[in-house]
Amino acid sequence: NAGVMQNPRHLVRRRGQEARLRCSPMKGHSHVYWYRQLPEEGLKFMVYLQKENIIDESGMPKERFSAEFPKEGPSILRIQQVVRGDSAAYFCASSPEGNTEAFFGQGTRLTVV
Amino acid sequence: GENVEQHPSTLSVQEGDSAVIKCTYSDSASNYFPWYKQELGKRPQLIIDIRSNVGEKKDQRIAVTLNKTAKHFSLHITETQPEDSAVYFCAASTFSGGYNKLIFGAGTRLAVHP
Repeated sequence: NAGVMQNPRHLVRRRGQEARLRCSPMKGHSHVYWYRQLPEEGLKFMVYLQKENIIDESGMPKERFSAEFPKEGPSILRIQQVVRGDSAAYFCASSPEGNTEAFFGQGTRLTVV
Repeated sequence: GENVEQHPSTLSVQEGDSAVIKCTYSDSASNYFPWYKQELGKRPQLIIDIRSNVGEKKDQRIAVTLNKTAKHFSLHITETQPEDSAVYFCAASTFSGGYNKLIFGAGTRLAVHP
């Protein structure tokens, strides 16, 4: 059973471009979480999704950020018109129904130049 | 909302010594407290967790204690080794509504010197 897969591992974008981060949860996991980690800081919750539904997006910035978890395919975190302050590591975690343990992916390190 | 504070921010010990990291949380409804280890450039990995119905849990050289009255929990690492060097994060969550939203502390950078 492969772990949580995130791609790309590293992403460089110029200011104003769009960034798309992908997360494939572990097999059998229906819950996906996205967290952001700024340099030298802890992880901050962004959004929680189940298949085709956003359940809790209380940690998402109001503008430019969106997330989805379609019926088929990976979960996508999309950042439009990136700014330097978006540079961070973005981690996805997944868990099965009813279980508390969250398994993290390797993260996508976004650098905005 | 929930807030988790973690101390110290850095910790330096000699190999073989013990290391203790402490966290406090604000939401008395929190009922799940995991600890993650993160090596440079890598994913956070769960090393131990404790639920609110237990006061202490141990796994080899690692132990976690929970004081629900005081709303604090601690990670204890005994007989530290250089490979224990990493950043350690505590987290708290209120497992409700079928999901587990983790609120993390700011992290403790542990350095174990040979």
